[in-house]
Amino acid sequence: DIQMTQAPSTLSASVGDRVTITCRASQSISAWLAWYQQKPGKAPNLLIYKASTLESGVPSRFSGSGSGTEFTLTISSLQPDDFASYYCQQYTSNPLTFGGGTKVEIK
Amino acid sequence: EVQLVQSGAEVKKPGESLKISCKDSGYSFTSDWIAWVRQMPGKGLEWMGIIYPGDSDTRYSPSFQGQVTISADKSITTAYLQWSSLKASDTAMYYCARRSPTWEFFDSWGQGTLVIVSS
Repeated sequence: DIQMTQAPSTLSASVGDRVTITCRASQSISAWLAWYQQKPGKAPNLLIYKASTLESGVPSRFSGSGSGTEFTLTISSLQPDDFASYYCQQYTSNPLTFGGGTKVEIK
Repeated sequence: EVQLVQSGAEVKKPGESLKISCKDSGYSFTSDWIAWVRQMPGKGLEWMGIIYPGDSDTRYSPSFQGQVTISADKSITTAYLQWSSLKASDTAMYYCARRSPTWEFFDSWGQGTLVIVSS
C-alpha cells in the first residue's frame, strides 16, 4: 500500500495568513493526488485533483502543487470559512489511501 | 447533479448484523462507481471498497476484505454496506462517495451514517 503522510497534523493560524500543508507519498504517484476539506460533522469536500487542478466552485485562494512524492496545498489568505481539516488522497493504485489529515485551527 | 443520501444513524450490539444504504438521486447510477469510506471517531479517512452498480463489479481494500460486503440494487439506484457480525471496533462514521468519471477521486459524498456498536 502507498502510505500518505501529512504535515503538520495541527496548524494554528490567523485570518489572512498564508497556510501551507504538505503531503508526502511513500512512492511516486506522479500527479494522481486529490485534496479534500472536511468541516466538523460534515462529509469531505473535494478541493483539488491531479495535484493542482481546482475543482469547480472552489475559491482561487486554494492551490495545489507537486508531483512524484511531495505535494503541497496552499491557502493564500486564510478566511474564517477555511478553519477545517484537510486530507490528501492518492489515486495511482488500489487500495486508495488518504493522509492522516491536517487540522487548521484559529490562532 | 449527483446527490447521495444515506440511511440514518444506527445503534447496534456486538454480534448483530447491519446493512446501511446510499441512494443516488442522479441519473447516471449504473455508470458511476460508488465507494465506501470509514472515519473512526477523531480519526482520518479510510477507503473500504468500491462498486460499479452497472455490473456489480466490486473491489475491496485488503483491510476490509472479508469484513464487510458492498452491494448495489440498480433498480432503486442504491448502494449498500453490510456487516454480518458487528464488533465494537466498527463504531465509526461511514460515507458513500461517487468516484469521478475519469479518475479515482471522489467528487460527491453522502452525508454520512453513524454506526455505534456497544453492548
